[in-house]
Amino acid sequence: RKEVEQDPGPFNVPEGATVAFNCTYSNSASQSFFWYRQDCRKEPKLLMSVYSSGNEDGRFTAQLNRASQYISLLIRDSKLSDSATYLCVADSSNTGKLIFGQGTTLQVKP
Amino acid sequence: GAVVSQHPSRVICKSGTSVKIECRSLDFQATTMFWYRQFPKQSLMLMATSNEGSKATYEQGVEKDKFLINHASLTLSTLTVTSAHPEDSSFYICSATRDHEQYFGPGTRLTVT
Repeated sequence: RKEVEQDPGPFNVPEGATVAFNCTYSNSASQSFFWYRQDCRKEPKLLMSVYSSGNEDGRFTAQLNRASQYISLLIRDSKLSDSATYLCVADSSNTGKLIFGQGTTLQVKP
Repeated sequence: GAVVSQHPSRVICKSGTSVKIECRSLDFQATTMFWYRQFPKQSLMLMATSNEGSKATYEQGVEKDKFLINHASLTLSTLTVTSAHPEDSSFYICSATRDHEQYFGPGTRLTVT
């Protein structure tokens, strides 16, 4: 079983749609969680950290459920520029190492 | 602006040769850097943790004699792929932590012919 699992998609949605990505992690000792965005043939860039209380940054909302070891990302009012691969990431027991999910591909169409 | 740089961004080499990739932290010191590899349509896989002034820590299944890591200064880590083979062709990315956030270099695309 992979340490961080995501539905690879692709998710094809029209502009303006709301889309949700889910992710599960297996290491109960993980303390920090993130969503990264990766554009084609580029390095990942941090989108947002994920906290138990949930956090929102504009159109993006991230949620963590420690009991279920489940992380989510909600994107509202999708833009064409949101098209990318979204990587769910968990730390490896506060070692600084990051464990990446395989990514969920989003394609927003006009 | 970029906080981590990598060089080269792209390299093509012949099978059996060695390739060195540099990772630099810009304007900050990084005692620890990480090296990842990403094959097409797959996730980033951590290869090793590069520690300034000491030996790198390799992840399970990564050959330390094939992927040589040197972290000789607080701003530079190098990864040398020795005796490269076509199956080593991949996207190699380094990262460094600053203020509890991990920043990634732009990556090096290695193609071994």
